[in-house]
Amino acid sequence: SQKIEQNSEALNIQEGKTATLTCNYTNYSPAYLQWYRQDPGRGPVFLLLIRENEKEKRKERLKVTFDTTLKQSLFHITASQPADSATYLCAFLSSGSARQLTFGSGTQLTVLP
Amino acid sequence: DSGVTQTPKHLITATGQRVTLRCSPRSGDLSVYWYQQSLDQGLQFLIQYYNGEERAKGNILERFSAQQFPDLHSELNLSSLELGDSALYFCASSQGQGIYEQYFGPGTRLTVT
Repeated sequence: SQKIEQNSEALNIQEGKTATLTCNYTNYSPAYLQWYRQDPGRGPVFLLLIRENEKEKRKERLKVTFDTTLKQSLFHITASQPADSATYLCAFLSSGSARQLTFGSGTQLTVLP
Repeated sequence: DSGVTQTPKHLITATGQRVTLRCSPRSGDLSVYWYQQSLDQGLQFLIQYYNGEERAKGNILERFSAQQFPDLHSELNLSSLELGDSALYFCASSQGQGIYEQYFGPGTRLTVT
């Protein structure tokens, strides 16, 4: 079955450093991936979408890469700040008639001051 | 603020009862999605409606049902509630189907006692 895995449940980094989060998928080749941010008790917030023909996408301090050979997406936050502390979710649109967003379990990022 | 509203914010009810959760999508969005998020399951897709019609179904229990009304608001009905149904229920909306970012509401926290 189609699976999406975020292989770090929690990541702690020092303020000012670059945070790198990983999303791997198996048994599927999605046409695009989405990344969301979720704060405790709140709904996810859309951050970035990257298509399979886009190797990299940037938005302010955020950068996403998409490697279809490795079946992996990397999400980077440069010059991280304590306000970046949250859970980050990756998601892809599944194939077939039930085209639903499948979310990874998320990586909880803590940026230490 | 995503523009998606959900009511109620909190709901506490007993096992065996039935509840209705309500969602109003962002202005102009035709698709509404329902998700369940519990600690051990992550964010699980339940069902999608597009312009009043059911378009995709995830792992939604038979005890759960939903509908989207002509004014595009949606309701999720949960019946014969069990302790395991306690979770955060999110509604999201998007402009269309498929490759669109989703905007999530603040969620309804359901506690079944």
